[in-house]
Amino acid sequence: AQSVAQPEDQVNVAEGNPLTVKCTYSVSGNPYLFWYVQYPNRGLQFLLKYITGDNLVKGSYGFEAEFNKSQTSFHLKKPSALVSDSALYFCAVGATDSWGKLQFGAGTQVVVTP
Amino acid sequence: SAVISQKPSRDICQRGTSLTIQCQVDSQVTMMFWYRQQPGQSLTLIATANQGSEATYESGFVIDKFPISRPNLTFSTLTVSNMSPEDSSIYLCSVPDGLEAFFGQGTRLTVV
Repeated sequence: AQSVAQPEDQVNVAEGNPLTVKCTYSVSGNPYLFWYVQYPNRGLQFLLKYITGDNLVKGSYGFEAEFNKSQTSFHLKKPSALVSDSALYFCAVGATDSWGKLQFGAGTQVVVTP
Repeated sequence: SAVISQKPSRDICQRGTSLTIQCQVDSQVTMMFWYRQQPGQSLTLIATANQGSEATYESGFVIDKFPISRPNLTFSTLTVSNMSPEDSSIYLCSVPDGLEAFFGQGTRLTVV
């Protein structure tokens, strides 16, 4: 069985400061990891993914994530947060036997204050 | 990247009735997925819709409550049957495309 955990319900950060959203995972086998963002009244938008290769993955809107196999983590980061980054962020893990079938974390609400 | 259209985008329904949600993709895909997002919650997979075979349901979801059709490789429907207020959620369809999963804009359902 696979699972993903987002330990923080909400992250508050001032605009211009670094933003980190935490995610840990548990899978049997190679992990396929994703980050999605959901703005109010809108669908899920893909940010980035880790399949294989470099541990540091760069994605949309200036976001990046670092895959750490020893810590089973895939934290999302942005060096300088914007007010427009305020949204709900989901970490997800993909099934190796059924591509596209995702297990989502509980979500982390990011609030960026001016 | 796949472009996914869902209809309706939102609806308010009376309890005891049924609503059918449509998902149209601009390319042929083997698998389509239906998710539910209850208020303030994460996304939970309802079922996998495969063309030419019956849908595969996740634990806690049954065909009588959420019947799914998959008539071709670009289209699927999810019906929420005999609705109750607990069915008020956002329902999203998703398709894999390459090494990514794309989502429709979702259908926001309110049952009164």
